[in-house]
Amino acid sequence: GAGVSQTPSNKVTEKGKYVELRCDPISGHTALYWYRQSLGQGPEFLIYFQGTGAADDSGLPNDRFFAVRPEGSVSTLKIQRTERGDSAVYLCASSLSPGGTQYFGPGTRLTVL
Amino acid sequence: TQLLEQSPQFLSIQEGENLTVYCNSSSVFSSLQWYRQEPGEGPVLLVTVVTGGEVKKLKRLTFQFGDARKDSSLHITAAQPGDTGLYLCAELQGGSEKLVFGKGTKLTVNP
Repeated sequence: GAGVSQTPSNKVTEKGKYVELRCDPISGHTALYWYRQSLGQGPEFLIYFQGTGAADDSGLPNDRFFAVRPEGSVSTLKIQRTERGDSAVYLCASSLSPGGTQYFGPGTRLTVL
Repeated sequence: TQLLEQSPQFLSIQEGENLTVYCNSSSVFSSLQWYRQEPGEGPVLLVTVVTGGEVKKLKRLTFQFGDARKDSSLHITAAQPGDTGLYLCAELQGGSEKLVFGKGTKLTVNP
């Protein structure tokens, strides 16, 4: 069956540019999560959606980061004015309902030159 | 936010050997999850432990939750190259949907 998919798998950009990362959750999953994993670290929570609304965005590092989920399915993580420190693997996860098992996608590796 | 400490950070062993990795905290865990992450993939949930002293087995993997619920261990018997990966422990932060992860143990099993 189809799992969580993320596109692109790799993204290379230049400092100061804008990027969008897409997440397609498992069909029917109402909860969606974004995490960031830097080299040698475990995933770090960024934001959680329940349906279309961001229920917890406490992990977003600053106002350059923004995420949307307009129809309660696909989500896009948007990063403005990228910095070299934004380089990491961005992971998306979904669960059938809040508190359920989180299923992770393969991630998007972002490299900011 | 609770800090989860995992040890060792790296482990390289030969096929057939046994190993144990650890996850510790200064605070009590409400519950604890163990994940395995392979290169280029996202973490995959292996098990959730909830009760102090609980032991769960998944084929050659044995998971133990400390009596005081401040530590957990993962023991692998007769490791195989397919066990290679990053083993992460994580806790669902109380009152939220936020998973807090340790840094992981990177395991390499050599044929």
